[in-house]
Amino acid sequence: DAGVIQSPRHEVTEMGQEVTLRCKPISGHNSLFWYRQTMMRGLELLIYFNNNVPIDDSGMPEDRFSAKMPNASFSTLKIQPSEPRDSAVYFCASVDYNEQFFGPGTRLTVL
Amino acid sequence: RKEVEQDPGPFNVPEGATVAFNCTYSNSASQSFFWYRQDCRKEPKLLMSVYSSGNEDGRFTAQLNRASQYISLLIRDSKLSDSATYLCVVNWKTSYDKVIFGPGTSLSVIP
Repeated sequence: DAGVIQSPRHEVTEMGQEVTLRCKPISGHNSLFWYRQTMMRGLELLIYFNNNVPIDDSGMPEDRFSAKMPNASFSTLKIQPSEPRDSAVYFCASVDYNEQFFGPGTRLTVL
Repeated sequence: RKEVEQDPGPFNVPEGATVAFNCTYSNSASQSFFWYRQDCRKEPKLLMSVYSSGNEDGRFTAQLNRASQYISLLIRDSKLSDSATYLCVVNWKTSYDKVIFGPGTSLSVIP
């Protein structure tokens, strides 16, 4: 298995633009988490899906952020419009028996 | 009080030293505990689970103290390759899984 796949690996965009981050979890894993990591705030849980259904989105910062999981093999995190304070590394992780397997992350810079 | 707290460090130790990290959690209903390791500019990876009876994996020993609500990680005979950030993770179930990552403790092992 290739592990959790995220794309793009790096994204540089201008304030106000729409950003879409993508994640392919490990096949057979039923839960998927989206995290954001910054130096100031550490690793923050944004949203958690179980069997493609959003279970806990209390960490989504505001309405500019949305996440979908249309099927078991794909999820997206969208920011619209993006702001400089959204600059961070965004990780997704899929879960097997309580172990979280993280993707390599998307490093987002909003200018 | 934050749900999971760690001493951010950095801990700078010489090769061969023994170093210990502590992590405290606020929710007494917490059920599962883990230590993850994150190398610079990489994704977090599971280091070890923490069991009630304590557990050991080579040079690494994890302990859980439910009464005082803390977990610990002991690294013996530190290697240069142990340099990383160590993240404490606490999990509990309500109607769904709740996973909280601590802010991490930075370790630098010096030649």
